[in-house]
Amino acid sequence: AQSVTQLDSQVPVFEEAPVELRCNYSSSVSVYLFWYVQYPNQGLQLLLKYLSGSTLVESINGFEAEFNKSQTSFHLRKPSVHISDTAEYFCAVSGYQGAQKLVFGQGTRLTINP
Amino acid sequence: GAGVSQSPRYKVAKRGQDVALRCDPISGHVSLFWYQQALGQGPEFLTYFQNEAQLDKSGLPSDRFFAERPEGSVSTLKIQRTQQEDSAVYLCASRMTGAGNTIYFGEGSWLTVV
Repeated sequence: AQSVTQLDSQVPVFEEAPVELRCNYSSSVSVYLFWYVQYPNQGLQLLLKYLSGSTLVESINGFEAEFNKSQTSFHLRKPSVHISDTAEYFCAVSGYQGAQKLVFGQGTRLTINP
Repeated sequence: GAGVSQSPRYKVAKRGQDVALRCDPISGHVSLFWYQQALGQGPEFLTYFQNEAQLDKSGLPSDRFFAERPEGSVSTLKIQRTQQEDSAVYLCASRMTGAGNTIYFGEGSWLTVV
């Protein structure tokens, strides 16, 4: 079984400031790792994922996340945020076998202040 | 359509009423998932289909919840004798077969039980 802990329920930052959203996971087997974003009144959208290979993965809109196996973490970072990044961010894991269903964290609400 | 489509988007049910939520996955997607997302929480897994076969229903909270996908495409989640604790957003998602493929989510059906 897997579990995910997002350490911050809310993160307020100023526009153009850097941000880090923290995610730790627990699993007895190897996992795939994901970050999903949910804008107000919209469905979940995949932001980025780690399957294998380079431990640093990037999204098209400037976010990046680094898989750290020893610390069982997959923190999400962006060097300079925009108002449009205001959303709820969910970290998720899935196992390699079977349904590969996603197990989500509780979410982190990112609020960007002008 | 291009994405996962869910209907109705919003449903208000009186306690004790039965509801049916429909999901139209992306064409050709073999895997289909249902998740429940309570207010302020991360999505929780309900059930998983591979084509028409329901391979995992471990997340269904009670025998009042029933899901089907009779022809391997459209799926329906039915909740019988709704209770207030059933109020949540019900998310449907689909995925092509293959390890690590992206799971695509619909916008959800918002259920409020009064």
